[in-house]
Amino acid sequence: TAGITQAPTSQILAAGRSMTLRCTQDMRHNAMYWYRQDLGLGLRLIHYSNTAGTTGKGEVPDGYSVSRANTDDFPLTLASAVPSQTSVYFCASSATGNGGYTFGSGTRLTVV
Amino acid sequence: GENVEQHPSTLSVQEGDSAVIKCTYSDSASNYFPWYKQELGKRPQLIIDIRSNVGEKKDQRIAVTLNKTAKHFSLHITETQPEDSAVYFCAAPLNTGFQKLVFGTGTRLLVSP
Repeated sequence: TAGITQAPTSQILAAGRSMTLRCTQDMRHNAMYWYRQDLGLGLRLIHYSNTAGTTGKGEVPDGYSVSRANTDDFPLTLASAVPSQTSVYFCASSATGNGGYTFGSGTRLTVV
Repeated sequence: GENVEQHPSTLSVQEGDSAVIKCTYSDSASNYFPWYKQELGKRPQLIIDIRSNVGEKKDQRIAVTLNKTAKHFSLHITETQPEDSAVYFCAAPLNTGFQKLVFGTGTRLLVSP
């Protein structure tokens, strides 16, 4: 089934440790995004990529990095996790010129 | 950059009633306004969107209206059903175009039988 896959589904991470959240899509969408969802704050954009080889900062980029080596994959890395990064992380993709996002199923991350 | 405000944060209605959720945006150049529905524990899913060249769009029981002068847009759900219970998010582009969406803080809709 075509779509967007995130891994892991959930993770408990010790503060100070690093972690990479994985995101893969098979729809050949040019644009990909990472959002975090926190209660009462909705979805906030962390980083985005308009096309393979390019990335940009969103609303809340500090503490996160991304790469876009190819069209399908868009990993999000936390270099040194802090408790405030406890959240649900959603990856999404969209075709160029079409704003409709397809979201992944999310990664629930708890930093302790 | 874009700022999107959404009201109300919670909305309770009886089955069969109508529900209206409103959003305002700050960037007058914004040209695309989608609405997403998120059921408990699930991913957000696009339910309807509108481009800035039209004032209203309908899809069965849901509709979206856009007032560019006032910079606000609304989601209307008629004949609500219990399965409409979810969190609804509006969004607008961070910059001109269709991508890099800024989301509202969400409205939790509860439809009681």
